[in-house]
Amino acid sequence: EIVLTQSPATLSLSPGERATLSCRASQSVSHYLAWYQQKPGQAPRLLIYDGTNRATGIPARFSGSGSGTDFTLTISSLEPEDFAVYYCQQRSNWPSFGQGTRLEIK
Amino acid sequence: QVQLVQSGAEVKKSGSSVKVSCKASGGTFSSHGITWVRQAPGQGLEWMGGIIPIFGTENYAQKFQGRVTITADESTSTAYMELSNLRSEDTAVYYCARDYEHIATEWGQGTLVTVSS
Repeated sequence: EIVLTQSPATLSLSPGERATLSCRASQSVSHYLAWYQQKPGQAPRLLIYDGTNRATGIPARFSGSGSGTDFTLTISSLEPEDFAVYYCQQRSNWPSFGQGTRLEIK
Repeated sequence: QVQLVQSGAEVKKSGSSVKVSCKASGGTFSSHGITWVRQAPGQGLEWMGGIIPIFGTENYAQKFQGRVTITADESTSTAYMELSNLRSEDTAVYYCARDYEHIATEWGQGTLVTVSS
């Protein structure tokens, strides 16, 4: 089983700031990593797939990078609606998710 | 773009079974997979398994082997997830999602299943 470890657990930032979220895999997942956003009481929403590809309708301020075991989700300038929980997910092996990073308003 | 609408909340007794439905509209049902992901209260996401309706092939997480059955009815564009021998730790929100090679592209609204003793 591939374990994904996200850091930090909680990130406190202000609107307009840049957010950098990390996801580390216990073994290489090549580029097969996705990022999802989840707001309270809602289903997750796909943001990024295969490391760097934005899903349909996702704003350009969201970008993904990385390969192998280390991945990053960057939000270039935070909007009020971006404060949520973010999960990474690998599909190199049986799918698994990270434990999530909570992005909160400072 | 496909929309997935799930059945309503359920309250079940320990040891019983629950069957959750997921109806697709606005897209091609059979050619894409449907996967199920669950989320216990205040916890993260767990990938349970899925089905590709056009092939009728299912795959399940080892953790749920023998307890979960995922099926699909192409005539009604509906997928089902049945979980048996329920225990308290199965209390969770269960989501269906459209699955493109294990990328969950669109999600249902979720179904809360509460297991009580």
